[in-house]
Amino acid sequence: QKEVEQNSGPLSVPEGAIASLNCTYSDRGSQSFFWYRQYSGKSPELIMFIYSNGDKEDGRFTAQLNKASQYVSLLIRDSQPSDSATYLCAVSRSNDYKLSFGAGTTVTVRA
Amino acid sequence: EAQVTQNPRYLITVTGKKLTVTCSQNMNHEYMSWYRQDPGLGLRQIYYSMNVEVTDKGDVPEGYKVSRKEKRNFPLILESPSPNQTSLYFCASSLSKEAGASYYGYTFGSGTRLTVV
Repeated sequence: QKEVEQNSGPLSVPEGAIASLNCTYSDRGSQSFFWYRQYSGKSPELIMFIYSNGDKEDGRFTAQLNKASQYVSLLIRDSQPSDSATYLCAVSRSNDYKLSFGAGTTVTVRA
Repeated sequence: EAQVTQNPRYLITVTGKKLTVTCSQNMNHEYMSWYRQDPGLGLRQIYYSMNVEVTDKGDVPEGYKVSRKEKRNFPLILESPSPNQTSLYFCASSLSKEAGASYYGYTFGSGTRLTVV
């Protein structure tokens, strides 16, 4: 079982719609959760992080965490063509700097 | 500008020819790490360093070496590259909790695309 699992996609959504990305993790000791966006040929960039159960909103992005179910999700509202990228879910333990990454979900926003 | 700088961006080499990929950060970060990214496998950690002279293996360390003689630099060394090390490599750094960091997400370098023929 992989430490972090994501649907590889591609996830295709129309412009203006909500894109919903899911991520599950296997280590119950995981404490910190991150979403990175990676454009083709570029390095990952951090867009959201969440530590506590519930929702965290930042602009058009909302991260949702459910530690009991061991899943974290990312919602992208009012999707724009510029949101077309691969989204990486990453998790770490509280006493460990190591980030374990999922393989990523590719999102395509069609105009 | 706060950044992680990797060099070179692209490298084509032959099997067995030693090479070094450099990584330098200007943010005074304690923690640095190397990842490789392969299609379908995501980012996998090669080595990491908690501070100067402190390094440890990640998930896929075979065939790689690192050193951390200075806080800002964390070079990745391939003593005898093989074709299965063809990949996209990323260096990343992070503040430490001891330094009072409020979050521990990484800052990534621009990546090095290595091809070993």
